[in-house]
Amino acid sequence: EVQLVQSGAEVKKPGESLKISCKGSGYSFTNYWIGWVRQMPGKGLEWMGLIYPGDSDTRYSPSFQGQVTISADKSISTAYLQWSSLRASDTAIYYCARGGGHWGQGTLVTVSS
Amino acid sequence: QAVVTQEPSLTVSPGGTVTLTCGSSTGAVTSGHYPYWFQQKPGQAPRTLIYDTSDKHSWTPARFSGSLLGGKAALTLSGAQPEDEAEYYCLLFYSGLRGVFGGGTKLTVL
Repeated sequence: EVQLVQSGAEVKKPGESLKISCKGSGYSFTNYWIGWVRQMPGKGLEWMGLIYPGDSDTRYSPSFQGQVTISADKSISTAYLQWSSLRASDTAIYYCARGGGHWGQGTLVTVSS
Repeated sequence: QAVVTQEPSLTVSPGGTVTLTCGSSTGAVTSGHYPYWFQQKPGQAPRTLIYDTSDKHSWTPARFSGSLLGGKAALTLSGAQPEDEAEYYCLLFYSGLRGVFGGGTKLTVL
C-alpha cells in the first residue's frame, strides 16, 4: 500500500527555521515526483513545487521560489520542505503529494509570536 | 504564471449529472497538462479522483470521470450522491512541470 506520512504539527515564532518531512512507503520512492502544496486557513490549494527524488531535480512555482527549499533523501525515502526564516503568513497546512495522486495527511504549521 | 479557472460554485440534484471544468489562461487544455482532479471535504486532506486527464484510482467512485471538453479539462459526476458535496480542485502542469491549481469549485448536492 502506497503511503505518504508527514511529520507532526509545528508551532514556531517568526524568524525561526523549520524543516518538515514526508516519508514514502509501499513503492519505489525514486520513480515518482513528490510535490508540496500549501493551504492557508480557509483558502484553496497552492502548488509550491516538486522534486524528483532520483536526482533531486527540483521545480519551484514562481510564487515560492526563494521562499522555501524542497529536498529529498532517497536513502530514507523522505522528502522535505524547509524555511530559513518563518513569517506569520507561512501559517498553513502543508501537504505532500506523489505523482499519480497519493497525498500525505498534512502538516499544520503555525507561526506566531 | 498561468491562471487556471474553475466555476466558483455549482449545484446538482441528487441523482443528477454535473460537469466541472478547468480552463487555462494560456489556451486550450491538453493531455500534456496532465490534468488532475481532487476532492476536498472540510477538515480533510484532498483526495485524488482523476489524474492524467482520465485515469482513476481504485478509490475513485465509478460515477466520476475525467475528459477534455471544449478546450478545457472536465470532471463529470453522473448520479450525484449527498456525499459528493465538497470542494473540487483541478491542477494543471505547465512547461518544466510547474503546477498551477484552479481556485476550486464548491459543489452543492441539493
